[in-house]
Amino acid sequence: QVQLQESGPGLVKPSETLSLTCAVSGYSISRGYYWGWIRQPPGKGLEWIGFIFHSGNIFYTPSLRSRVTILVDTSKNQFSLRLSSVTAADTALYYCARTVTSQYYFDYWGQGILVTVSS
Amino acid sequence: QSALTQPASVSGSPGQSITISCSGTSSDVGGYNYVSWYQQHPGKAPKLMIYEVTTRPSGVSNRFSGSKSGNTASLTISGLQAEDEADYYCSSYTFTSAVDVVFGGGTKLTVL
Repeated sequence: QVQLQESGPGLVKPSETLSLTCAVSGYSISRGYYWGWIRQPPGKGLEWIGFIFHSGNIFYTPSLRSRVTILVDTSKNQFSLRLSSVTAADTALYYCARTVTSQYYFDYWGQGILVTVSS
Repeated sequence: QSALTQPASVSGSPGQSITISCSGTSSDVGGYNYVSWYQQHPGKAPKLMIYEVTTRPSGVSNRFSGSKSGNTASLTISGLQAEDEADYYCSSYTFTSAVDVVFGGGTKLTVL
């Protein structure tokens, strides 16, 4: 059974960098699929952030591309998200998810982690 | 403002059928068969219900079905049950200048 688990700080100061990690169990990232991030502001809808292939091929949503970095660590079977220059608008529940390659749907999700941007 | 348009809410009585629409453009819903639907109960992560417009993942009830006509995709739930009460989101692949994945704003389903 594929499982994903997000971890990282729940509070980030404005203008700083948000950093999250997603640990994957039950499946080796090196075998395939895209591995990505989706966020959901409190009480609002879902927003795709980006995903990465194990080889390093990466896609980001255009609106966040200038501030986002997604990295993969196949030795630890995990991937990470970094979002720079955060503001209150980046406060959200952040989910990591497995993305079916070339079909662009998310079949396994983490439980989500709430990140609040506040001083 | 979400890229895909969904009704904010729909409702139905147990046993009835409801349909949730998801309107996009020829650059997303209308241009590709990469529409998916997700169910989200309060405090829970989204769950995949439909992918590639019409395909149900293993374990998802056959009361859930998907379709598409032109730039609008639809999710139909037949034989409504209390457990179906949740938020539903559609999603589509899109490519204008770059790969992108867009979501609808979500629809709150109330089972009366």
